[in-house]
Amino acid sequence: EAQVTQNPRYLITVTGKKLTVTCSQNMNHEYMSWYRQDPGLGLRQIYYSMNVEVTDKGDVPEGYKVSRKEKRNFPLILESPSPNQTSLYFCASSSPGTALYEQYFGPGTRLTVT
Amino acid sequence: AQTVTQSQPEMSVQEAETVTLSCTYDTSENNYYLFWYKQPPSRQMILVIRQEAYKQQNATENRFSVNFQKAAKSFSLKISDSQLGDTAMYFCAIGQSTGANNLFFGTGTRLTVIP
Repeated sequence: EAQVTQNPRYLITVTGKKLTVTCSQNMNHEYMSWYRQDPGLGLRQIYYSMNVEVTDKGDVPEGYKVSRKEKRNFPLILESPSPNQTSLYFCASSSPGTALYEQYFGPGTRLTVT
Repeated sequence: AQTVTQSQPEMSVQEAETVTLSCTYDTSENNYYLFWYKQPPSRQMILVIRQEAYKQQNATENRFSVNFQKAAKSFSLKISDSQLGDTAMYFCAIGQSTGANNLFFGTGTRLTVIP
């Protein structure tokens, strides 16, 4: 089954404690992205990657890091989380070959930083 | 830069009735795609319908259809014969056909279908 997986699905942590949210896709997609969703703001892109070792900032990259060492994986790293990073996070993947560049979304990760 | 505006934060509709969700956008791109995503309480992002900007014909998917007005930069979603399962947050999004295919989302419309 074609899918994007994220782990963990829920995470409660404290300010300053480094964390990583993993994302993996099994569709051999070139493009992968991270979005955060906040009430009243919709989804905003954090970082994206066009292929292995190629990453770039989205609209709200401050406080986040990413890496793309393998095509299927695109982890999101919060080196020193702060309460304003409490949000719902989505990973997505797509390919130039997919219909109308459709993005496939993971199930989301609810992060709470206290 | 691309922006998407959804001016209706919340809407409600009676079961079996028709409802239209509005969306306007702005872009300097010539080639782009428009999407409506549904987010039920499970939080999963589900693609409802998509439209290629270069196509004049409005897209339809069963009970869902769009009214795409390119000159007005408008992309509204019509849901016919509304069902309880349509209760969700709906996001309008625009994507470009170049670069990394990033999506720009509106702020969403929360739709409630009333039995």
